[in-house]
Amino acid sequence: DVVLTQTPSILSATIGQSVSISCRSSQSLLDSDGNTYLYWFLQRPGQSPQRLIYLVSNLGSGVPNRFSGSGSGTDFTLKISGVEAEDLGVYYCMQATHAPLTFGSGTKLEIK
Amino acid sequence: QVQLKESGPGLVQPSQTLSLTCTVSGFSLTSNSVHWVRQPPGKGLEWVGAIWSGGSTDYNSALKSRLSISRDTSKSQVFLKMNSLQTEDTAIYFCTRIPGNWGQGVMVTVSS
Repeated sequence: DVVLTQTPSILSATIGQSVSISCRSSQSLLDSDGNTYLYWFLQRPGQSPQRLIYLVSNLGSGVPNRFSGSGSGTDFTLKISGVEAEDLGVYYCMQATHAPLTFGSGTKLEIK
Repeated sequence: QVQLKESGPGLVQPSQTLSLTCTVSGFSLTSNSVHWVRQPPGKGLEWVGAIWSGGSTDYNSALKSRLSISRDTSKSQVFLKMNSLQTEDTAIYFCTRIPGNWGQGVMVTVSS
């Protein structure tokens, strides 16, 4: 199974600060169809996860453009350019290139 | 409007079988896959399995021997059955049209 390693596990930021979360895969996530099925989700306290980014760098519908995704192969990054209070929660990367699908262990974003 | 809603018993006895239903609306099961994801209390997300648009299934490697996912397209319902439940199976179970829409989740507690 593909292992996704997320770092850091906890991130403490002030409002307006820019932060990055890393997601490293044990195998390349480039599919034979040319797509890379790497996604980012945010789970706010007490809520279901919501999609932020799909296919590495595409912003989900209604997601603020302070969120951005980048990367290729085995190394991926989620960046928040100017953290806002509503961004607190746990961020997960997930891959769907290889079955079974797997999630990273999560990064908890705390607001100072 | 796309919606997914999980239903099932909140309490299951150890060694018994868990049966959950995901009722969907706003999209067709014959054109979309539906996944089950679970989250133990205070822990991260774990992909459980999926039924693809064509009706084939994939399962988490660690759960495969205990798990079955099926569907009734006429009722827009997806079913999860997991046998030989243990306390470690206590979790919120989500159905989701990964990567987009998620249900609210159903809490399942395994206890005598």
